[in-house]
Amino acid sequence: NAGVTQTPKFQVLKTGQSMTLQCAQDMNHEYMSWYRQDPGMGLRLIHYSVGAGITDQGEVPNGYNVSRSTTEDFPLRLLSAAPSQTSVYFCASSYRVGVPSYEQYFGPGTRLTVT
Amino acid sequence: EDQVTQSPEALRLQEGESSSLNCSYTVSGLRGLFWYRQDPGKGPEFLFTLYSAGEEKEKERLKATLTKKESFLHITAPKPEDSATYLCAVLSTYYGNNRLAFGKGNQVVVIP
Repeated sequence: NAGVTQTPKFQVLKTGQSMTLQCAQDMNHEYMSWYRQDPGMGLRLIHYSVGAGITDQGEVPNGYNVSRSTTEDFPLRLLSAAPSQTSVYFCASSYRVGVPSYEQYFGPGTRLTVT
Repeated sequence: EDQVTQSPEALRLQEGESSSLNCSYTVSGLRGLFWYRQDPGKGPEFLFTLYSAGEEKEKERLKATLTKKESFLHITAPKPEDSATYLCAVLSTYYGNNRLAFGKGNQVVVIP
């Protein structure tokens, strides 16, 4: 199994550009989520999904969209990039919902810089 | 507001020198506390879940414990490969919704 994969690994955007961060898992996990990690701050939840067709907002959802059309994929869309979205983004998955959802497998991350 | 505080922020240990990391929290309705390990440039790796005060979990040289206000991650006789940042996260309920809060991490360097 490849686990959780994320592409691209690095990305530089100009303010106002849009892009999609890709996330895929091959473990048939129900629960998937997106986090951002900033220096001096803990990981913060952006959006999550408890199954195909079901998504919900996390702690910092503004400026981001998600969809979950398949169990495997959970892309994160930046609608109009802003410098405040410069961060490292992690996708994570877990094989069940409820409290164990947070026993997560994380991807390697995407380092995004917005100029 | 839920708060998760990890201390010390950074720790340098000699190989074999046991120590403990602290994660203190103020939340309402604790549902679980999680420990992760993160290596530089990589995503966090799940280590433990603790559900109730008094619970303990072990894995190799790591042992996690939980009280009503804090959790400890004990590192016994550490090796250089235990060098990493250790993240604590607390899951609580707030008006029926789950909320997960991460601490900023404990950065551990083990010197041979």
